[in-house]
Amino acid sequence: SAVISQKPSRDICQRGTSLTIQCQVDSQVTMMFWYRQQPGQSLTLIATANQGSEATYESGFVIDKFPISRPNLTFSTLTVSNMSPEDSSIYLCSVVLTYNEQFFGPGTRLTVL
Amino acid sequence: AQSVAQPEDQVNVAEGNPLTVKCTYSVSGNPYLFWYVQYPNRGLQFLLKYITGDNLVKGSYGFEAEFNKSQTSFHLKKPSALVSDSALYFCAVRDRTNFNKFYFGSGTKLNVKP
Repeated sequence: SAVISQKPSRDICQRGTSLTIQCQVDSQVTMMFWYRQQPGQSLTLIATANQGSEATYESGFVIDKFPISRPNLTFSTLTVSNMSPEDSSIYLCSVVLTYNEQFFGPGTRLTVL
Repeated sequence: AQSVAQPEDQVNVAEGNPLTVKCTYSVSGNPYLFWYVQYPNRGLQFLLKYITGDNLVKGSYGFEAEFNKSQTSFHLKKPSALVSDSALYFCAVRDRTNFNKFYFGSGTKLNVKP
């Protein structure tokens, strides 16, 4: 299994500002994933982050809005830039280990005013 | 395209009764199927998976799921529900052509009443 921590656990931000979310894993993993979960809804994949290369973004998500860093095999950050109320969501990072099991962090609950 | 559907937004069951949370899938080829649970203010937790082999898969917390290829279903079941099972349940399928991608259903809120 994997233990994943995220910081901050929650934040309230003003529109137009940016927030960087950190994700730390207790083991080395090749790929890390960032999801968004809007209140009461399903998960939407934002991007896949490989160590040492540019993140791969899903349709509807762009690097300028959601820049991602992946400096090593246990850590990644997601920045939500120039925030608007529509960005209010839970942001989750995850990893997939052997045997197809995906593990999620506890999430960062973001509210944009 | 790969997708999963959870036809019920909410399932209500009395404690001690059996529960079923439904999931149907649409994939090309053999599916990799998963169930996750999300408790309030928590991240998702892996419950069980079907990759190959026995159609009845047993997972955490007494849950099991039955893979039915002819009906393209993967319903989650538990013989006797507990109040503590109340949570949001997600079915997911892994894309066999792009292993980076998991497609999640819309989620089903399970309410177990004492």
